[in-house]
Amino acid sequence: DVKVTQSSRYLVKRTGEKVFLECVQDMDHENMFWYRQDPGLGLRLIYFSYDVKMKEKGDIPEGYSVSREKKERFSLILESASTNQTSMYLCASSPQRYTATYEQYFGPGTRLTVT
Amino acid sequence: DAKTTQPTSMDCAEGRAANLPCNHSTISGNEYVYWYRQIHSQGPQYIIHGLKNNETNEMASLIITEDRKSSTLILPHATLRDTAVYYCIVRVASNAGNMLTFGGGTRLMVKP
Repeated sequence: DVKVTQSSRYLVKRTGEKVFLECVQDMDHENMFWYRQDPGLGLRLIYFSYDVKMKEKGDIPEGYSVSREKKERFSLILESASTNQTSMYLCASSPQRYTATYEQYFGPGTRLTVT
Repeated sequence: DAKTTQPTSMDCAEGRAANLPCNHSTISGNEYVYWYRQIHSQGPQYIIHGLKNNETNEMASLIITEDRKSSTLILPHATLRDTAVYYCIVRVASNAGNMLTFGGGTRLMVKP
């Protein structure tokens, strides 16, 4: 079974703090994704990576950065957390074979609250 | 990307088959049909995908009509844990990273 794990289920941080969200997958997938999910707005892609040290911006990259030093690990960094970054953060991975791009496997999510 | 239409909600008795329909009348020849679900407060879960042939895996079966304008996801023996919102999406396949977006979906309630 594909397993995608995220470092925390719940996180509370203060405005201005630097926040690290970690994601690890154990299926040797090339593609990894960070989304946020908010009521009424659905899933929105922040960043994705299709290889180690490679990253691409999604729809809403402002205020975030990412790091992929190893194939299995994809980190999301909030450089200076703000209250509008309070959200559910979801990591996903997918194999890089044709037809499989939308076969994405998600972690349990991190519910981040910024106060 | 082709637009999809799903019923807003459905009920199913525990142990019975749940048949969830999806209309995608504008689907093009190179677009695949994908199904996901999301249980409350959890991340989305990939279920199955297909192009034109029927597909089956350990979770579900996907039946795609011959004209590909609609499909049905079948959960053969629904359990209470299958209560979730089910999303049908239609996308062109590729190797590149791509954003997943969900429409309204069908809220399936499995009842004892």
